[in-house]
Amino acid sequence: DAKTTQPPSMDCAEGRAANLPCNHSTISGNEYVYWYRQIHSQGPQYIIHGLKNNETNEMASLIITEDRKSSTLILPHATLRDTAVYYCIVRDYYGGATNKLIFGTGTLLAVQP
Amino acid sequence: DSGVTQTPKHLITATGQRVTLRCSPRSGDLSVYWYQQSLDQGLQFLIQYYNGEERAKGNILERFSAQQFPDLHSELNLSSLELGDSALYFCASSDPVGRNYNEQFFGPGTRLTVL
Repeated sequence: DAKTTQPPSMDCAEGRAANLPCNHSTISGNEYVYWYRQIHSQGPQYIIHGLKNNETNEMASLIITEDRKSSTLILPHATLRDTAVYYCIVRDYYGGATNKLIFGTGTLLAVQP
Repeated sequence: DSGVTQTPKHLITATGQRVTLRCSPRSGDLSVYWYQQSLDQGLQFLIQYYNGEERAKGNILERFSAQQFPDLHSELNLSSLELGDSALYFCASSDPVGRNYNEQFFGPGTRLTVL
């Protein structure tokens, strides 16, 4: 699975959009980008995933660059409850024999009132 | 609420002891994963079971073992405990054929403290 690089921390004002970047320059053609988040000591929570097209769901939007070497997770209107560590993970869609997740260090997003 | 349950919520024990952590996956999920989260190592994949059989192994110590039972619940056994085994242990489950095939649902975790 390709390695990802994320900034260790970011701040965002409540009500504003939070844009979390992720670099995955070694991503291969069959690998997807996944985002999970972990709110303080709770179990991680799936947010969104994508291959090459931009994706949107009720939680967030995922923008993947055309060369697929980086992506941005967008929380359109951040709230205090969005304060969490956000993990960007790259792996095969079917994971081969397993769908295990390899977590990096993630980005701690602090939403400020 | 993810639908994944883990017991106990907290566990305090002494070095050298053995403990068992239990996980009940979401209804219908055949895959169960175990992860360990410690302060110095972050979130690490330990092991995966699929429908009762071991599917993948990660950074799981030989002192640790797991199994998945016919009713699909899983147990993680930790023996000869050391101080460094103190961590949050998460269980996750996924549905291999449903719409959310690639989404893992995590339980609330078991916090293990080894004194």
